[in-house]
Amino acid sequence: GAVVSQHPSRVICKSGTSVKIECRSLDFQATTMFWYRQFPKQSLMLMATSNEGSKATYEQGVEKDKFLINHASLTLSTLTVTSAHPEDSSFYICSARDGSGRQFFGPGTRLTVL
Amino acid sequence: GQNIDQPTEMTATEGAIVQINCTYQTSGFNGLFWYQQHAGEAPTFLSYNVLDGLEEKGRFSSFLSRSKGYSYLLLKELQMKDSASYLCAGEDSNYQLIWGAGTKLIIKP
Repeated sequence: GAVVSQHPSRVICKSGTSVKIECRSLDFQATTMFWYRQFPKQSLMLMATSNEGSKATYEQGVEKDKFLINHASLTLSTLTVTSAHPEDSSFYICSARDGSGRQFFGPGTRLTVL
Repeated sequence: GQNIDQPTEMTATEGAIVQINCTYQTSGFNGLFWYQQHAGEAPTFLSYNVLDGLEEKGRFSSFLSRSKGYSYLLLKELQMKDSASYLCAGEDSNYQLIWGAGTKLIIKP
């Protein structure tokens, strides 16, 4: 099946620093990628929809200047958490949609902000 | 509004069969997904139903009734490794997923 990778899998950073998370579709081209956030024991929450070559569409309540998304190619999208704070600590998961409409998820990135 | 309902928790015995139900209301409807999520891991794709009926894939089957806004995931010959959360997600007309809160499935020996 389709494979989506994320890097890094885990990151610990100091408050105020920026963190970049990469999401790659390894064996298919994804015109659309999604970024989710999941807090412990809660459901996945969609943060933004990323279309290749265009600006991302952010969900209500998600700060676009804080969570920068770049979908530079059909296989790569990046999420940059700028000036991270402890409340940004979460599990960030990306997914990529294939040509048939199915979404495949990356393994997730666990962010801890000290 | 858009809404996905599924039970919060279910318990079943190893080797048995369990059915996890999901009802949905979405703005337009393209299809319905089922994902499995083990604690601390990202969801993994199980099934995607677009047409009415039952689709079987090994020990897992998924059913959809578009007229009733209803789906279920059927797990047969349960194994301990099937202990996980099972997420139901409806895809609306904008191709966005509307997620249920997940059903935590506990398998007992």
